[in-house]
Order: sequence, then structure tokens, then C-alpha cells
Amino acid sequence: DVKVTQSSRYLVKRTGEKVFLECVQDMDHENMFWYRQDPGLGLRLIYFSYDVKMKEKGDIPEGYSVSREKKERFSLILESASTNQTSMYLCASRVTGTGANYGYTFGSGTRLTVV
Amino acid sequence: QKEVEQDPGPLSVPEGAIVSLNCTYSNSAFQYFMWYRQYSRKGPELLMYTYSSGNKEDGRFTAQVDKSSKYISLFIRDSQPSDSATYLCAMSFYSNYQLIWGAGTKLIIKP
Repeated sequence: DVKVTQSSRYLVKRTGEKVFLECVQDMDHENMFWYRQDPGLGLRLIYFSYDVKMKEKGDIPEGYSVSREKKERFSLILESASTNQTSMYLCASRVTGTGANYGYTFGSGTRLTVV
Repeated sequence: QKEVEQDPGPLSVPEGAIVSLNCTYSNSAFQYFMWYRQYSRKGPELLMYTYSSGNKEDGRFTAQVDKSSKYISLFIRDSQPSDSATYLCAMSFYSNYQLIWGAGTKLIIKP
């Protein structure tokens, strides 16, 4: 069974801390995505990557950066955490192609609280 | 105006009822349409996938796309308490383009 694994289910960090959220997929997928999910706002794309070392800004990249040094791993970095970054963070991956394989596979999410 | 509109609910129905979940969209260039199901404290999972217009059926689930009205629907027959979840619609212009998401509808099936 294919899997996207996010390293932490719950995190509590202090304002100003540098926070790393890790995501690993075992499906050899080229594309990987980071979203945040907030009530009433749905899924908002932070960053995505089409391949190793490549990254593209999504709709809300401010305050975040990403790293993709290996195909299976996509890291989200909060440079200086703030309370408005308290959210559920979801990582997803997708193979490049058409048909049912086009669907994203999501991890279980990391609920981050910044205090 | 958002590109994809979806009523957040919650929608509460009795077990066994037929459920209709809907999304409207503004951009007629969308070609790929998907429904995802998200259980509490889990990530979304792909439920149904449709290209262009028409219906697609999978067990108790039917996805319907009406491009002339810019409207997509997900029907659930013989609804079960285990169908209680948030249902998100998503769509895209091209097969490898990023998805545009609805905000999700919370569905509650009462035993």
C-alpha cells in the first residue's frame, strides 16, 4: 500500500522558533505538495515540487520555505513561527501522468500549534 | 468570488438516505474533476475521478459533471454512518496541473 508519512502528528512550538515538518513518500512520485488546512478556508497550497531540487510557490508561501534534496522527502520550514501559522499541515504526492494515477496521496497531517 | 464554491454544511441525514453533495465553479476551462473524502484527523483520500462531462459510478457512489452549468455532484446511495466525513471537491485544467479545491462539506449520517 502506498504511503505518505508525516513525521509528527502533533507539534507545539513557541513564537519565533524555526520549525521543520518532514514528509516522506515511498511511491517514487515526482510531484510533492504542502498544504495547510483551516476551518472554512479549505486546503491552501503553500509550496510544491515537480522533482528533486525543484520548488514552486503556491498561493500562500510567505513565512515558509521548502527543501527537496531527495525524491522521496519534501520538507516544509517555518523560518520564524508565528501564531497565525497554527494550522493543520498536509503533505501530498502524485505521480506524473493521467487517469486515476493523477490523484494525490495525502499524509495524515501534522497539527501545529504555535504559542 | 472563489473559483470553486462548496457549502461547508454540516449536512445531517438519516442512515439509508441518498446524499447529494455539490460544487459550483466559475472557470469553464476545468476538465478534471475529483471528489476526496476526509475522515477526522486524517488526510483526504481520492474517492472519485471524472474527466470532462458525464457520470461515473463506483458502488454506492456516483459522480456527475455538468459543464454547461459548471456544477459537479457526488451522490451517495444507502448512506452509512461510516460515510460521515468531510467531502472535498477538486478540479484542474490539465492532467498534471495543480488542483483547485473546494472548502469541503461536512457530512453526518445519523444511525
